[in-house]
Amino acid sequence: AQKITQTQPGMFVQEKEAVTLDCTYDTSDQSYGLFWYKQPSSGEMIFLIYQGSYDEQNATEGRYSLNFQKARKSANLVISASQLGDSAMYFCAMRDDFEGRRALTFGSGTRLQVQP
Amino acid sequence: NAGVTQTPKFRILKIGQSMTLQCTQDMNHNYMYWYRQDPGMGLKLIYYSVGAGITDKGEVPNGYNVSRSTTEDFPLRLELAAPSQTSVYFCASTRDSQETQYFGPGTRLLVL
Repeated sequence: AQKITQTQPGMFVQEKEAVTLDCTYDTSDQSYGLFWYKQPSSGEMIFLIYQGSYDEQNATEGRYSLNFQKARKSANLVISASQLGDSAMYFCAMRDDFEGRRALTFGSGTRLQVQP
Repeated sequence: NAGVTQTPKFRILKIGQSMTLQCTQDMNHNYMYWYRQDPGMGLKLIYYSVGAGITDKGEVPNGYNVSRSTTEDFPLRLELAAPSQTSVYFCASTRDSQETQYFGPGTRLLVL
């Protein structure tokens, strides 16, 4: 079974600084995908970034980058130049291809608070 | 495109009542999912569908049923509501050529 672990229940960061949110995963699959979603206080799930297990380059999307270390089974999210609007819950997730279902397994999340 | 829509946004149920949570997507996605999110937790898979007429259980299916008669709609049925089903329910969809799952806005359910 796949498992996602996020060990930081909460993080604080000063506005304009960079922050790293940790994610480790466990899977026996060779092909998998890793995702980060943002959930603001309004509750919706916002897709941020995706990394495929065979992608050689770390994924980047604007101020978001994914630090993918396959041997260590980690997929940390780096947010550069934090903004007040980045305050939210952040979830790491892995695509589960069991029986072809392509569902997501989520971690427990990290609450990020950006301070002015 | 409306994307993934869910109704209702919020509902209070009494123990033992039944209800259907509606989910519709207009992106012609073949994969659809129902997840639940308990307070302070990540999302857990309830049921999924890989196409019209095909559904299967996820990790936490007890107390729920689904159907998929069309590509667009994937309703979730609660037959006998219990306090343990108090949660936020998210519907999501995707297709073979995509990695991203698109989520609906969620339905907040309170069972008293």
